Amino acid sequence: TQLLEQSPQFLSIQEGENLTVYCNSSSVFSSLQWYRQEPGEGPVLLVTVVTGGEVKKLKRLTFQFGDARKDSSLHITAAQPGDTGLYLCAGRNNAGNMLTFGGGTRLMVKP
Amino acid sequence: DAGVIQSPRHEVTEMGQEVTLRCKPISGHNSLFWYRQTMMRGLELLIYFNNNVPIDDSGMPEDRFSAKMPNASFSTLKIQPSEPRDSAVYFCASSLRLPYEQYFGPGTRLTVT
Repeated sequence: TQLLEQSPQFLSIQEGENLTVYCNSSSVFSSLQWYRQEPGEGPVLLVTVVTGGEVKKLKRLTFQFGDARKDSSLHITAAQPGDTGLYLCAGRNNAGNMLTFGGGTRLMVKP
Repeated sequence: DAGVIQSPRHEVTEMGQEVTLRCKPISGHNSLFWYRQTMMRGLELLIYFNNNVPIDDSGMPEDRFSAKMPNASFSTLKIQPSEPRDSAVYFCASSLRLPYEQYFGPGTRLTVT
């Protein structure tokens, strides 16, 4: 079983601060995805990273896939209250047909 | 375009009752996934279908759980009999085909008392 550990589990910060969320595994994934989930809704895909060392930017969000494709990070610059939510990482197995989700990081950004 | 549709959005039932959750995937999507989300265990894959055929049901917790996909536009997840530990949010997701990105529905919040 491929497991993904996310840290921290909870994060409460003030508007304008920077933060980094981590997603770690001992397994290699063919790709890794980041989702954001808001209360009462399903997860929404933010980004997919495929290549080891890959960096993708989505406005104030920067995603990085580890060189060995076992870990990933999400960095948010100048966080805003609208960034509040549950951030989930999900690794795709080598067969490409299934996702394994991490436990999530619950982020709260206070105005 | 309509996203993944799930019904009901909320279900409260008593232990021992049968519960049926419904999902309509995005039109044209060939793969459908059922997940369960709890605070303790996070988001877990229960079963997924490809072209209406169940491919992997290893995540289905017990024989009390069953899922069907009679056609490309409809799937059900049934729990019979339900137990309090089944209380969770159940999500359905669909993708164009494996291994493309999955799109999640809004979920069904199930409470078994």
